[in-house]
Amino acid sequence: QKEVEQNSGPLSVPEGAIASLNCTYSDRVSQSFFWYRQYSGKSPELIMSIYSNGDKEDGRFTAQLNKASQYVSLLIRDSQPSDSATYLCAVNGGVSWGKLQFGAGTQVVVTP
Amino acid sequence: GAVVSQHPSRVICKSGTSVKIECRSLDFQATTMFWYRQFPKQSLMLMATSNEGSKATYEQGVEKDKFLINHASLTLSTLTVTSAHPEDSSFYICSARDPAGGPIGELFFGEGSRLTVL
Repeated sequence: QKEVEQNSGPLSVPEGAIASLNCTYSDRVSQSFFWYRQYSGKSPELIMSIYSNGDKEDGRFTAQLNKASQYVSLLIRDSQPSDSATYLCAVNGGVSWGKLQFGAGTQVVVTP
Repeated sequence: GAVVSQHPSRVICKSGTSVKIECRSLDFQATTMFWYRQFPKQSLMLMATSNEGSKATYEQGVEKDKFLINHASLTLSTLTVTSAHPEDSSFYICSARDPAGGPIGELFFGEGSRLTVL
């Protein structure tokens, strides 16, 4: 079982719609959770961090964390073509203290 | 967020030569930096943790004699790929954690270095 799992996609989303990305993790004592966006050929860019259960909103992005279910999600509202990228879920803490464990990423394609 | 700079962004070398990649934290001091490798269509794979003033910690399966890491100052870590082979061609990315975030804070990434070994 992979430590951090994501659907690889591609997730096709019409422009203006909501993109919903999911991530599950195996280490129950993980303490911090991140979403990175990676454009093709570029390095990852942090877009959201979340540390406690519930929702966290930043502009068009909302991260949701449920530690009991070991689940973290990212919603992108009013999706734009510029949101087309691969979104990486990353988890920190727990057994791999101080290191980020990355999921394989979900490719999002926003169609005009 | 914190700024991490990496150089060179692209490098092409002949098989058997060595290549050095630099990673700098520009606006903070990083006692720890992380080196990742990413093959096409795959996620980031942690290669090693670079510790200022001490030896790097390598992940299982990563050859420490092939991937030399030096973290000589609080703002600079280098990765040297020695005796490079075509299978070492990859995207190498360094990262560092803003100390303000503590050990579970977010990582900030350099721009990445694309290595092509001919």
